[in-house]
Amino acid sequence: GNSVTQMEGPVTLSEEAFLTINCTYTATGYPSLFWYVQYPGEGLQLLLKATKADDKGSNKGFEATYRKETTSFHLEKGSVQVSDSAVYFCALSERGGAQKLVFGQGTRLTINP
Amino acid sequence: DAGVIQSPRHEVTEMGQEVTLRCKPISGHNSLFWYRQTMMRGLELLIYFNNNVPIDDSGMPEDRFSAKMPNASFSTLKIQPSEPRDSAVYFCASSSPGTYYNEQFFGPGTRLTVL
Repeated sequence: GNSVTQMEGPVTLSEEAFLTINCTYTATGYPSLFWYVQYPGEGLQLLLKATKADDKGSNKGFEATYRKETTSFHLEKGSVQVSDSAVYFCALSERGGAQKLVFGQGTRLTINP
Repeated sequence: DAGVIQSPRHEVTEMGQEVTLRCKPISGHNSLFWYRQTMMRGLELLIYFNNNVPIDDSGMPEDRFSAKMPNASFSTLKIQPSEPRDSAVYFCASSSPGTYYNEQFFGPGTRLTVL
């Protein structure tokens, strides 16, 4: 079955540090890939997405590239801010399939000033 | 545009009581999802509907849980009787048929505490 594995947290960084959160997936077919973010006390929000190999999703300074050869979708940001503190979820969806999202376990990120 | 609306935002109840959680999806969205989030198990899909019809309820933990979608603008998740291990944050999400990559929009969640 489909699955997503994320880098275990929690991750603690200083402001302006470089961020990488690793995500790898296992899927039948050709999935779409997502990063969702959950700020404290809120629901999940879509951060970025990529729908085919070599696509780069980007938003708010975050980027992730769909790597089919390594089945990965790592999240990166060049300079993090305190406001980026949140839980980040990697997810996949089978294109045209059952519309279910399969989520990773989430990675809690804390940015210290 | 209003997002996904959930009520109540917080619910505290005693073991054995019935609990009903409510969700109003985004207008025009035809898929609705119920999730449960706990520290131990992370984010779990409980059930989802397409066009008001339950498609996959394999994540519903046991018979104490039931979900309905009587129309396109309303869904309920009911727990009867509730148990302390049901304490969690329950999220509702909806998605539109127009996006083939299936982006889901989440509500703010209902935090349930069963004493």
